[in-house]
Amino acid sequence: SQQGEEDPQALSIQEGENATMNCSYKTSINNLQWYRQNSGRGLVHLILIRSNEREKHSGRLRVTLDTSKKSSSLLITASRAADTASYFCATDQGGSEKLVFGKGTKLTVNP
Amino acid sequence: DTGVSQDPRHKITKRGQNVTFRCDPISEHNRLYWYRQTLGQGPEFLTYFQNEAQLEKSRLLSDRFSAERPKGSFSTLEIQRTEQGDSAMYLCASSEIPGQGKGLAGVKEQFFGPGTRLTVL
Repeated sequence: SQQGEEDPQALSIQEGENATMNCSYKTSINNLQWYRQNSGRGLVHLILIRSNEREKHSGRLRVTLDTSKKSSSLLITASRAADTASYFCATDQGGSEKLVFGKGTKLTVNP
Repeated sequence: DTGVSQDPRHKITKRGQNVTFRCDPISEHNRLYWYRQTLGQGPEFLTYFQNEAQLEKSRLLSDRFSAERPKGSFSTLEIQRTEQGDSAMYLCASSEIPGQGKGLAGVKEQFFGPGTRLTVL
């Protein structure tokens, strides 16, 4: 079963706008990761945030984590057409080595 | 290219046939993972290896599925007597072994290959 649930399922914005995606999960975690997947391709790791961190930045990406609410958000600022992809959050399950993915948010950035 | 590679990239087979996929991880990575992804869903964990040892298997991995990593390098995933429900993208990932001890130290990200798309007719 999948632990993470991304919200929204689909998001369409104009180039230059910010995109925010949310992820909720059910069990305790050690870390949460965000991945990007272009259509029909493999996953690209974007950023990892540990359970004792509240916010992390990487370039145009900002990730927050609220363990009390079991939720995370991914913000992409100044979006580009090349950001068009599906975005997944993935969690460990309190020490398990496997990643548990949500269903993803499909982001479309219109030029 | 020193990333994770998978072969073949696409496989079309008839129901009842056996298929085998190969994954070559990043060379210094000790851990290798297999995931399955169906349309519109996120990847689901199947199994993982640390070196040649298979340490965890999902309930999704029925008796028709078998994975090996005989020399602790590349891995194969075989599906016997394929069914239409096996149609999916099969993803392989590799990682280093995290640091010893519990907690937060040394979490290692998983690097994914391009996947093998299986279509069972």
